[in-house]
Amino acid sequence: AQSVTQPDIHITVSEGASLELRCNYSYGATPYLFWYVQSPGQGLQLLLKYFSGDTLVQGIKGFEAEFKRSQSSFNLRKPSVHWSDAAEYFCAVNTGNQFYFGTGTSLTVIP
Amino acid sequence: EADIYQTPRYLVIGTGKKITLECSQTMGHDKMYWYQQDPGMELHLIHYSYGVNSTEKGDLSSESTVSRIRTEHFPLTLESARPSHTSQYLCASSESGSHNQPQHFGDGTRLSIL
Repeated sequence: AQSVTQPDIHITVSEGASLELRCNYSYGATPYLFWYVQSPGQGLQLLLKYFSGDTLVQGIKGFEAEFKRSQSSFNLRKPSVHWSDAAEYFCAVNTGNQFYFGTGTSLTVIP
Repeated sequence: EADIYQTPRYLVIGTGKKITLECSQTMGHDKMYWYQQDPGMELHLIHYSYGVNSTEKGDLSSESTVSRIRTEHFPLTLESARPSHTSQYLCASSESGSHNQPQHFGDGTRLSIL
């Protein structure tokens, strides 16, 4: 069965520090992978997506993600976190029939 | 920015009432979706539509119904609200075609049933 796992429920980082949010997927065919961010009281906003080509994809707000087929992972990274990055982050896979979302990682940024 | 709108943003209402959550998009997307979102949980798909007059139930059993009479409009209706329906409801849309098309989300409706 298709699934997405985000092992970290909550992460706290200091402003200016680097960030990596983990995502593992389970899907037999070529995955179409996405990262979304959700600020309080808002819907999900697309950060970036991967479907083919270069395994390192760039997104908005300085985020990037690396697809590693051998590890079934699609981790999200940012070199220097800003206070405004505090939010909930969701990884998702599109199988063609349906989107599957992870349970999300809540990011807290401390000054 | 995606142009998908949900109303109301917040609703507190008593048990037994009929509720309709509105969702409209101006992007001409064929595909539309309703998700239920609870804290610490993945988004659960409750209904989806691939075009006018096409509606399907998602993975999560729901007592709600949807309709798709126009491309841009995909309302969700609860005939008789119960406290178990308390949740956040997110509407999304996407283009047809390749699987690399992302979903665009509205800001959600937070529903509380007393």
